[in-house]
Amino acid sequence: DARVTQTPRHKVTEMGQEVTMRCQPILGHNTVFWYRQTMMQGLELLAYFRNRAPLDDSGMPKDRFSAEMPDATLATLKIQPSEPRDSAVYFCASATGYEQYFGPGTRLTVT
Amino acid sequence: GENVEQHPSTLSVQEGDSAVIKCTYSDSASNYFPWYKQELGKRPQLIIDIRSNVGEKKDQRIAVTLNKTAKHFSLHITETQPEDSAVYFCAALAGSGYALNFGKGTSLLVTP
Repeated sequence: DARVTQTPRHKVTEMGQEVTMRCQPILGHNTVFWYRQTMMQGLELLAYFRNRAPLDDSGMPKDRFSAEMPDATLATLKIQPSEPRDSAVYFCASATGYEQYFGPGTRLTVT
Repeated sequence: GENVEQHPSTLSVQEGDSAVIKCTYSDSASNYFPWYKQELGKRPQLIIDIRSNVGEKKDQRIAVTLNKTAKHFSLHITETQPEDSAVYFCAALAGSGYALNFGKGTSLLVTP
């Protein structure tokens, strides 16, 4: 049963520190999404890639967030510098067609 | 992104009753509408989806209906069980591309 994996599962860091989250999409999936989930805002799309090319990053604060796909098996989301308002669960999802399959998420706490 | 409105935000039903969650969308070009179930502390899981060329789809106790003219779609759960308790999210595919616009979620509680 293939699944999207994410690391780390939990991260606690201090304001101003760099945070890097990693995602391994399901093998063969060519579209990768990054979402942020908070109680107030729900599930927000931050960015997504198709065939490793960024298609949309309009949901991402450009000054501190960056997303990349160094290869087909790895997607990264970086926050530098982190702020307390970045505290949330960050989900990665992958797809071949329209059906998106989510990873377990990274719970980020910025103090 | 385009708006997806979801109602109600919370829903409490007795075991065995039916539950209905409704969503509306604004992008007339949307043609794919999935529903996700998220248990506490877990990942959202796709439970059913519908495409714009059909009006209804059923999978055991779960059904989804779509009215493209009115731009709304609904999730129906029959014979609810306590394990159906979770947050349910509807979504609509953005008219261009592959991104989904999600509703805010419905917290469903099924009491024994």
